[in-house]
Amino acid sequence: EVILTQSPGTLSLSPGERATLSCRASQSLGSNYLAWYQQKPGQAPKLLISDTSNRAADIPDRFSGSGSGTDFTLTISRLEPEDFGVYYCQQYLKSPETFGHGTRVEIK
Amino acid sequence: QLQESGPGLVKPSQTLSLTCIVSGDSIRSGDYYWTWIRQHPEKGLEWIGYIYDTGTTYYNPSLKSRLTISIDTSESQFSLKMNSVTAADTAVYYCARRKVGWFDLWGQGTLVTVSS
Repeated sequence: EVILTQSPGTLSLSPGERATLSCRASQSLGSNYLAWYQQKPGQAPKLLISDTSNRAADIPDRFSGSGSGTDFTLTISRLEPEDFGVYYCQQYLKSPETFGHGTRVEIK
Repeated sequence: QLQESGPGLVKPSQTLSLTCIVSGDSIRSGDYYWTWIRQHPEKGLEWIGYIYDTGTTYYNPSLKSRLTISIDTSESQFSLKMNSVTAADTAVYYCARRKVGWFDLWGQGTLVTVSS
């Protein structure tokens, strides 16, 4: 199965700062087939990005996704206090579909 | 909207049974795969499997031998059965809607604890 490795494990940043989250795949995913989710405590994950770079409905434009091959990035251009949580990447090129273990974003 | 229901406590070796009711959307639309995903306490997400409205299923190979996912379009719901459970199956179980490859709608999740 495709292993997704997310880094860093935890990001601690202040509001207004830029957050860069990495997701590395154990094999090439092409230029699509990757999604990003945000999860807050006690809640289900929420879709942010599909097909590497397409924002889901009602997702603010401060969230952007990029990458191809084995290296993908989620960028939050200017952190807002409500952006805290754990962010997961997910690949859907190969079955079984797999998730990374997450990056925790803490707001200073 | 998706809503999971089922027992929160299951004894080891028994069968875990959960149902997801789909409201506000047609389970027969043909655009989606109806999915089960779980999350072990304080850990990441694991795809369990999904079903199409025709009844076609896809299972995670690591769990396949213990799984049955079924769909009842007349009742707008789909279900998960996992047999021979152990403590390692203790997790929050989510139902979700899969569109193309990503999961764009999730239930709130239900905690299932396997314990005697």
